[in-house]
Amino acid sequence: DSGVTQTPKHLITATGQRVTLRCSPRSGDLSVYWYQQSLDQGLQFLIQYYNGEERAKGNILERFSAQQFPDLHSELNLSSLELGDSALYFCASSVAPGTTYEQYFGPGTRLTVT
Amino acid sequence: AQRVTQPEKLLSVFKGAPVELKCNYSYSGSPELFWYVQYSRQRLQLLLRHISRESIKGFTADLNKGETSFHLKKPFAQEEDSAMYYCALTPGGTSYGKLTFGQGTILTVHP
Repeated sequence: DSGVTQTPKHLITATGQRVTLRCSPRSGDLSVYWYQQSLDQGLQFLIQYYNGEERAKGNILERFSAQQFPDLHSELNLSSLELGDSALYFCASSVAPGTTYEQYFGPGTRLTVT
Repeated sequence: AQRVTQPEKLLSVFKGAPVELKCNYSYSGSPELFWYVQYSRQRLQLLLRHISRESIKGFTADLNKGETSFHLKKPFAQEEDSAMYYCALTPGGTSYGKLTFGQGTILTVHP
C-alpha cells in the first residue's frame, strides 16, 4: 500500500453540479499531483502543489481548481460539471517536487457525470 | 510540448516468450523516461526509470535518443506480467516532476 488515500472512491453527480475530491499524501510527502484519466485523453497531468503552493499547471480547465492545505492534504474542486468530465481522477504524492522523487499514486476517484 | 506514444493498445504473448512494449517520445530537450505499471485491482506504480539503468522484475528499458524511443523488454514473459503498462516522460533537470503519459498498453501473457 503506497499510503496515498483518496475519497470518495466513487462519485455520481449531475451536469452543472460541483464536487470536491480529496487526497491525503503519504506521510512525509510534501508534493501532491492531480491527474485525470479519461477514455479519450488518457492519463493527463492537471496540477501540482508543493508544501501548500502551486508548483506546476497542466491541462486543467478553468472550471477546476485545487489547493493544498497546511496539513498537506489536497482537494480538487470541479464545478459546472459536464458529461465529458466523467473520468478517473488520480492523486499522487512525492517527498518533494522534481524528477528525482518517485510519485506514489492513490487508488483514484471515479467521477460519473450524468 | 512533449508527447509520448505507445503504438500498441493491446499486446498478447505466451508465457516464456519475449515481450517488447514500444514507447516513442517527442521532446526537444533531455527527457527523463519512466515505465509505470498497473496490475489488476492495484494502483499505478513505478516499474523503472531510465536513469537508474536497472532491471526490475526482469524488465529493462533503454533510452535511445536517436530514435527517441524507450521500449520495455523482457526476455521471458510470465503470467504475472499481465497488466497495463504506461510509458511516461518528464522534462529533465527541472524541479517539477509532472508526468506526460502515453495511452498505455495492455499486456496479456497466456499460459
